[in-house]
Amino acid sequence: DSGVTQTPKHLITATGQRVTLRCSPRSGDLSVYWYQQSLDQGLQFLIQYYNGEERAKGNILERFSAQQFPDLHSELNLSSLELGDSALYFCASSEGTGDDYEQYFGPGTRLTVT
Amino acid sequence: GQSLEQPSEVTAVEGAIVQINCTYQTSGFYGLSWYQQHDGGAPTFLSYNALDGLEETGRFSSFLSRSDSYGYLLLQELQMKDSASYFCAVRGVDSNYQLIWGAGTKLIIKP
Repeated sequence: DSGVTQTPKHLITATGQRVTLRCSPRSGDLSVYWYQQSLDQGLQFLIQYYNGEERAKGNILERFSAQQFPDLHSELNLSSLELGDSALYFCASSEGTGDDYEQYFGPGTRLTVT
Repeated sequence: GQSLEQPSEVTAVEGAIVQINCTYQTSGFYGLSWYQQHDGGAPTFLSYNALDGLEETGRFSSFLSRSDSYGYLLLQELQMKDSASYFCAVRGVDSNYQLIWGAGTKLIIKP
């Protein structure tokens, strides 16, 4: 158990809908990262927050947005969902600003868009 | 830009040794990480190399050659529980120090 929690574990929704994925980092970790993993693919970095502020952006679509709250939990919002958005979404956390080399991953949210 | 290449699949026998290679292209290389992911599970950190040479952690070792833009993960005394996907990930200036991941190597272990 990494100490990172994600909810929900599974989500099934229809095209065009909007969903919110939630992540709580390990106690003491200030950075939160969001990744997307499509079937049998590597992880695509989406976005990183550090202590409430956006720190780095990867291949995140404009339909997706995220935020990190004062209690350090984070939410990833996915809107106007398309079939191709079906994937595993992982949240990870680390202690520092992102220069630390070890990230701790949550169990993931499996999103299915029908 | 940045890219990583690793074999898509490797097969080995229980008790044997296997090496998973990773070649990368990036500017301003900062470090190479290895993660393990079991089917349906979350990635877990295995090792990190910032400097040339071998890092050993139990049955797992990781090697880096910065001049060759190459690294490998070595797994010894293979156990069935080592069946998983292994990802190399590189951190560089190009990606603003964020991890860029390879597509993963599926390790199949036969008894």
